[in-house]
Amino acid sequence: EAQVTQNPRYLITVTGKKLTVTCSQNMNHEYMSWYRQDPGLGLRQIYYSMNVEVTDKGDVPEGYKVSRKEKRNFPLILESPSPNQTSLYFCASSRQGGEAFFGQGTRLTVV
Amino acid sequence: GQQVMQIPQYQHVQEGEDFTTYCNSSTTLSNIQWYKQRPGGHPVFLIQLVKSGEVKKQKRLTFQFGEAKKNSSLHITATQTTDVGTYFCVTGGTSYGKLTFGQGTILTVHP
Repeated sequence: EAQVTQNPRYLITVTGKKLTVTCSQNMNHEYMSWYRQDPGLGLRQIYYSMNVEVTDKGDVPEGYKVSRKEKRNFPLILESPSPNQTSLYFCASSRQGGEAFFGQGTRLTVV
Repeated sequence: GQQVMQIPQYQHVQEGEDFTTYCNSSTTLSNIQWYKQRPGGHPVFLIQLVKSGEVKKQKRLTFQFGEAKKNSSLHITATQTTDVGTYFCVTGGTSYGKLTFGQGTILTVHP
């Protein structure tokens, strides 16, 4: 089954404790990206990647890191989480010029 | 970067009534995609429009792309309770590595 898999689905952490949210896709898509969703703001892109070892900032990259060492994986790293990063996060993948497939989401709470 | 403004933010309808959400941009868009997000779910692709004046239909849903490619609309005829969710217009850049979402319209359908 074609899918984008994110883990974990839910995470509560404390301020400053490094965390990684994993994202994996099995569709051999070139493009992968991360979004955060906050009420009234829609989805805002954090980072995107157009291929292995190629990443670029989205609209709200501050406080986040990504890496694309393999085509199928695109982890999101929060080196020092803060409460304003409490949000719902989505990973997505797509082919060039195609529709985006989204993961199930990760609800992160930073206390 | 490109921005798309979506209205209304909320829409409450009685089952059987029609519904329309609008998406506007101050700049010409190369493409518009529409996604639906069910409550508690992730965005799911509905359709993509790329041609000026394009109209596409999916059962009770009609999608339009304006002649100037600065606006788009999604119209649902005779809403059903299964139509509940948030509808997003999205524009893609750099061959869609970069997606910009509108704020979304939250549709509630009262039986």
